[in-house]
Amino acid sequence: SQTIHQWPATLVQPVGSPLSLECTVEGTSNPNLYWYRQAAGRGLQLLFYSVGIGQISSEVPQNLSASRPQDRQFILSSKKLLLSDSGFYLCAWSLPPGQGLTREKLFFGSGTQLSVL
Amino acid sequence: AQTVTQSQPEMSVQEAETVTLSCTYDTSESNYYLFWYKQPPSRQMILVIRQEAYKQQNATENRFSVNFQKAAKSFSLKISDSQLGDTAMYFCAFMIPNDYKLSFGAGTTVTVRA
Repeated sequence: SQTIHQWPATLVQPVGSPLSLECTVEGTSNPNLYWYRQAAGRGLQLLFYSVGIGQISSEVPQNLSASRPQDRQFILSSKKLLLSDSGFYLCAWSLPPGQGLTREKLFFGSGTQLSVL
Repeated sequence: AQTVTQSQPEMSVQEAETVTLSCTYDTSESNYYLFWYKQPPSRQMILVIRQEAYKQQNATENRFSVNFQKAAKSFSLKISDSQLGDTAMYFCAFMIPNDYKLSFGAGTTVTVRA
């Protein structure tokens, strides 16, 4: 069965410090990978998605970047955090095209609560 | 761009009763998928129910059912026989086939009272 791991669960960082959040998926190959952010009491905003190694699409301009160095690894980074980067970050995966009718379902990790102070 | 609107920020329901959450969306696409996700206090996102736009029959999953009105672009969720474990934030979401990007509404917080 497939599983998704996301860490750390919580993170407190000072303004101006760097960020690296990691997400890995097990039990599937060539998944679509996603980073979402949820501001307090709000819905989820898609930040980045990836359909393959080295292929990253950004949905909104921001202070963050994403990378996919391996097939099942997705990393969210920042060189200098801003206060506005605080939020709950969720990684998700879905099956790529051609792998069945359930490919439109997203499966989410447990999230990282980031507080920038 | 697709937009998803949930006009009810919070709802409260007595245990064992029924609650209906509303969702409307805006799209020019004719084929798409609609979802309801549940986010309990643990913050884990859980898929509750899924509807394919080309299917007229409303989806059901145990105590959860939807009322899909394609012409009105409405997709409401009914929770029957509410249980304390249903207390969570519920998100309506939209996806276009072959796009695989999920667009979410702002969410509705549901509190089930004992």
